[in-house]
Amino acid sequence: EVQLVQSGAEVKKPGESLRISCKGSGYIFTGYWISWVRQMPGKGLEWMGRINPSDSYTNYSPSFQGHVTISADKSITTAYLQWSSLEASDTAIYYCARATQAATVNWGQGTLVTVSS
Amino acid sequence: DIQMTQSPFSLSASVGDRVTITCRASQTISNYLNWHQQRPGKAPKLLIYTASSLQSGVPSRFSGSGSGTDFTLTISSLQPEDFATYYCQQSFSTPHTFGQGTKLEVK
Repeated sequence: EVQLVQSGAEVKKPGESLRISCKGSGYIFTGYWISWVRQMPGKGLEWMGRINPSDSYTNYSPSFQGHVTISADKSITTAYLQWSSLEASDTAIYYCARATQAATVNWGQGTLVTVSS
Repeated sequence: DIQMTQSPFSLSASVGDRVTITCRASQTISNYLNWHQQRPGKAPKLLIYTASSLQSGVPSRFSGSGSGTDFTLTISSLQPEDFATYYCQQSFSTPHTFGQGTKLEVK
């Protein structure tokens, strides 16, 4: 069974750094993209970017480029989403998803990030 | 970026109704169009990929059609568990943008 298990909820202060994780299992990790999607409170889905775990090639949405970093460690079948300096507007649920070239196929359970002073 | 526009924003319907949601892309995306369902408090779930292919395990009352710029999601006979928010997403070019969502509510 394909599973994407994300790390737990986080509460951080503005300016702090954070890395959240997404562990894939039940499939060949290097055979699929991992995408990250943001959902702000009460709002819709926003595609942030993706990584090819086989070579760590990344694409970012212009809306998120430079504010987050997507990485992966294929040896432990885990992808990461990282911030160096959080802002209050980063408060959201973040989903990872397994994707082919044509579709976002499986979703993680989501990680709630709360940024508040 | 390719803009995805869904209509309607919200829809009230009853169990057993047939409903259709539309999605329009700002430029042609061939058939690189996916539909996702999100129930309250849950992660999204893929229903339809490449415009008309039903994801494994998804009930056959869900169907998708379209190509180019105009797409539709149809639910042939609404069931109680179908009241949720539906999103289209293009995977033709990055960023893989989503529509704003259509909330399907009980009439």
